[in-house]
Amino acid sequence: QQQVKQSPQSLIVQKGGISIINCAYENTAFDYFPWYQQFPGKGPALLIAIRPDVSEKKEGRFTISFNKSAKQFSLHIMDSQPGDSATYFCAASISPAGTASKLTFGTGTRLQVTL
Amino acid sequence: SQTIHQWPATLVQPVGSPLSLECTVEGTSNPNLYWYRQAAGRGLQLLFYSVGIGQISSEVPQNLSASRPQDRQFILSSKKLLLSDSGFYLCAWSGPRDGSYGYTFGSGTRLTVV
Repeated sequence: QQQVKQSPQSLIVQKGGISIINCAYENTAFDYFPWYQQFPGKGPALLIAIRPDVSEKKEGRFTISFNKSAKQFSLHIMDSQPGDSATYFCAASISPAGTASKLTFGTGTRLQVTL
Repeated sequence: SQTIHQWPATLVQPVGSPLSLECTVEGTSNPNLYWYRQAAGRGLQLLFYSVGIGQISSEVPQNLSASRPQDRQFILSSKKLLLSDSGFYLCAWSGPRDGSYGYTFGSGTRLTVV
């Protein structure tokens, strides 16, 4: 399985600060890069996703930055709130025609936003 | 709208007992279906995926099996559970082969083998 490396493993940010989580991948054939948010005891939920033809995508306080040449992408959470405290997973997939899209996940980042 | 149901939410089973976890999807047809396992404090490992009825692909050799008896039903099974089968099992679906890549996960089953 192709690797996606995620860092940091855990992150503590003050309320109102910026949370940054980084991921790096190896397979240049990956063509879809989503981020998932998971609360304890729940399944991951899609947060935001990007394709390699754009360098940045923003949805509300969440932004993905994508560097194709460096094979890296990151999640930025602006104005972090206590409700953002969760585990975040980056992922990547190849979607060849005629078969399933198989996501490869990073190992996750546990984010804690303090008051 | 599409929904995914997964049950049971929690399960405690003795070593050597059988297992059956069920996942169903509503509001879509011909979905791609997936079973993932999440070990405590770790990422998600793809176990099985299916592109259609009776079509199962296994990603890792293990003590588990999967079946898809109906278009929107995906079942994870074991004949004899091992301690190492403990974990958080997640079912997910994605769109059919039309370029929609996003996964939607179920709420998961916490399996503890004792």
